[in-house]
Amino acid sequence: AQSVTQLDSQVPVFEEAPVELRCNYSSSVSVYLFWYVQYPNQGLQLLLKYLSGSTLVKSINGFEAEFNKSQTSFHLRKPSVHISDTAEYFCAVSESGGSNYKLTFGKGTLLTVNP
Amino acid sequence: SQTIHQWPATLVQPVGSPLSLECTVEGTSNPNLYWYRQAAGRGLQLLFYSIGIDQISSEVPQNLSASRPQDRQFILSSKKLLLSDSGFYLCAWGRGNTQYFGPGTRLTVL
Repeated sequence: AQSVTQLDSQVPVFEEAPVELRCNYSSSVSVYLFWYVQYPNQGLQLLLKYLSGSTLVKSINGFEAEFNKSQTSFHLRKPSVHISDTAEYFCAVSESGGSNYKLTFGKGTLLTVNP
Repeated sequence: SQTIHQWPATLVQPVGSPLSLECTVEGTSNPNLYWYRQAAGRGLQLLFYSIGIDQISSEVPQNLSASRPQDRQFILSSKKLLLSDSGFYLCAWGRGNTQYFGPGTRLTVL
């Protein structure tokens, strides 16, 4: 079984500041890792994912995350945030060798970008 | 391209009433389908998943059930709602290692 820990439930930052949302996971098998973003009263949108290969993955809107196997982490970063980045961010993990690809989610981090 | 729909968007139901939430996917065939519940402060909890018609697995014992009457349709049901069933219900589809979520149904049980 897997578990995901998002270390910060809330992260307030000012516009144009850098941000890091932390995610650690626990698993006895190889995993796939995901970040999803949720705007108020909406479903989850896939932000980026790590499946294999390069440990640094990037999204189209400036976010990036790095898979660190030794530290079992998949932290999300953005060098300069915008007001529109205000949302809740969820880290998730699934077993890479499975057939059902069930996701286990962290409890989420609410990112609030202030002017 | 693929799209996923959930119906209704919001629902207010009394305790003890039945429930039926619908999820449909367009633009793909034989997807994996999932139901999640998001309760305040508790993250997302996987309720059911299906890797094919007549193949539904339950993750959490509860008074909910799921059915898949068609390849791209997933139904979440209850015979008698409890207060604790309130939450935001999300359906997702997946092909391979990635899941894509619908817009969700906000259920309030009074």
